[in-house]
Amino acid sequence: EIVLTQSPDFQSMAPKEKVIITCRASQNIGSSLHWYQQKPDQSPKLLITYASQSFSGVPSRFSGSGSGTDFTLTINGLEAEDAATYYCHQSSSLPRTFGQGTKVEIK
Amino acid sequence: DVQLVESGGGLVKPGGSLRLSCAASGFTFSNYNMNWVRQTPGKGLEWVSSISSSLSFIYYKDSVKGRFTISRDNARNSLYLQMNSLRAEDTAMYYCVRDRGSFDLWGRGTLVSVSS
Repeated sequence: EIVLTQSPDFQSMAPKEKVIITCRASQNIGSSLHWYQQKPDQSPKLLITYASQSFSGVPSRFSGSGSGTDFTLTINGLEAEDAATYYCHQSSSLPRTFGQGTKVEIK
Repeated sequence: DVQLVESGGGLVKPGGSLRLSCAASGFTFSNYNMNWVRQTPGKGLEWVSSISSSLSFIYYKDSVKGRFTISRDNARNSLYLQMNSLRAEDTAMYYCVRDRGSFDLWGRGTLVSVSS
């Protein structure tokens, strides 16, 4: 099973700041890494597919990068509505797995 | 609207059974692989099971093999999860999820609680 480890677990940032969340895979997954945003009492929503492709309708301040085992989600210019938990997910092999989540709080 | 709507969750005793349903609308359901994903406060998000668009391929998380059965009815635009021999650790919010490699469409979930 591929283990995805996100860091940090929690981040408190002020509006307009840059947020960087990393996701490390326990083995090479190529670009089969996706990012989701989940707000309280909502289901997860897809942000980034295949490491760096923005999903339709996602604000341009969200971007992804990386390949192999190391991946990054960047929020350029944090906004109040970005308060949420962010998850990475791999589709390289079964079982599909998720990172443990990174909670982003707005100061 | 493009959406997935789950139903069938509830409170059940250990060893009991539940059948979850997911109604799809707004897209051609038969073109997509589908999944069940669950979420608990303690374990986060967990993939549970997948079924291919043509029913050719079915996969399960190890801990539910032999207890859960995924199925679909493309004529009814519906996905199902039959859950038997339920355990306390199966307690979670269960989401129906569309699969395009990434999980691009999620339902709002249905809550399953297993407790005596």
